[in-house]
Amino acid sequence: DTAVSQTPKYLVTQMGNDKSIKCEQNLGHDTMYWYKQDSKKFLKIMFSYNNKELIINETVPNRFSPKSPDKAHLNLHINSLELGDSAVYFCASSDSSGSGTDTQYFGPGTRLTVL
Amino acid sequence: AQKITQTQPGMFVQEKEAVTLDCTYDTSDPSYGLFWYKQPSSGEMIFLIYQGSYDQQNATEGRYSLNFQKARKSANLVISASQLGDSAMYFCAMIPNTGNQFYFGTGTSLTVIP
Repeated sequence: DTAVSQTPKYLVTQMGNDKSIKCEQNLGHDTMYWYKQDSKKFLKIMFSYNNKELIINETVPNRFSPKSPDKAHLNLHINSLELGDSAVYFCASSDSSGSGTDTQYFGPGTRLTVL
Repeated sequence: AQKITQTQPGMFVQEKEAVTLDCTYDTSDPSYGLFWYKQPSSGEMIFLIYQGSYDQQNATEGRYSLNFQKARKSANLVISASQLGDSAMYFCAMIPNTGNQFYFGTGTSLTVIP
């Protein structure tokens, strides 16, 4: 009965490859997010989708493309991986009532290592 | 612009003692939510506690309480009776009412000493 799940948990790949990370939530939330946590533990929002619609798209290389087939899923596809993409990627979801009370629940993270 | 500041990169506390982790924020929104998350060495982000900007009372959740001082724009996390399992990174976060983006602080690494 995991609330927010991500696969895979670990991803090791070569530079230049294309990879995807999947995220699913069973909380019935309508908003999902991708965050990147760098080696200094700094968390930075990348994307946010509300009911399958992109609502936040921070300054992220266009090699990163989110896809939301339905409001319970938000996948992250990364093309032409670079060394600097190595990080932990977190998916999160919230029930966006817009009242500033929207707790975000995080997945377990995907540790991406680019060699 | 929204900003969250955690000035303590690392903290140590004796087991069973209380500890306060500092968090200050800056926002022009009159309404917002404040959150604390715990990230143990296993890596997951665990929601701990929430405080709304219009809440009259400080939030409490078990051994966690939030010392909310609105005029000073601070939302410090107090952990009472520290346990070894409390050793982790702790992140303060804010979401303004007008948006749905979380703003995170840089985190505080807490080590509980037996």
